[in-house]
Amino acid sequence: AQSVTQPDIHITVSEGASLELRCNYSYGATPYLFWYVQSPGQGLQLLLKYFSGDTLVQGIKGFEAEFKRSQSSFNLRKPSVHWSDAAEYFCAVGWGAQKLVFGQGTRLTINP
Amino acid sequence: GAVVSQHPSWVICKSGTSVKIECRSLDFQATTMFWYRQFPKQSLMLMATSNEGSKATYEQGVEKDKFLINHASLTLSTLTVTSAHPEDSSFYICSANLDSSSSNYGYTFGSGTRLTVV
Repeated sequence: AQSVTQPDIHITVSEGASLELRCNYSYGATPYLFWYVQSPGQGLQLLLKYFSGDTLVQGIKGFEAEFKRSQSSFNLRKPSVHWSDAAEYFCAVGWGAQKLVFGQGTRLTINP
Repeated sequence: GAVVSQHPSWVICKSGTSVKIECRSLDFQATTMFWYRQFPKQSLMLMATSNEGSKATYEQGVEKDKFLINHASLTLSTLTVTSAHPEDSSFYICSANLDSSSSNYGYTFGSGTRLTVV
């Protein structure tokens, strides 16, 4: 069965520090990969996506992610976080034009 | 960019009544829409996939007679929670996928509907 794992339920980092949020997926076929951010009570905003080409993808708000096929991973990174980055982050994986499967989410807290 | 407009953003209803949630694709045609439910501090769980002009496909464990989905046009899909009960209180989000054959491929989400059943 298709599954997406975000191992870290909650991460706390200091403002200005670097950030890496992990995401792994199961199932062998090359998927479409997405990272979304959700503020409380809000919908989802797309940060970035990958479906082919360069495995290092640049997104909005200074985020980037790298697809590593050998590790079935698509980790999200940001070199320096801002207090406004505090939110819930979801990794999602799709295969073809089918439904998205979401990870459990990682809640990011920023210390001043 | 592609926008999905979801209404209402929040609704409170009495137990036993029905509530309809609408999702409209504003500047594109959505042949497929997805309906998700999100409980507090949890991830999004797919409820059903609706295709324009055909019956929705429900995920295992989702009651199709309770969660009625209609996708009668390429720009509108609705989810009706029938005979709502407090345990149906949740955040409901719709999504549409964009052209999977182009570089614009992706999914766009509505802003969500917070349903509270009292």
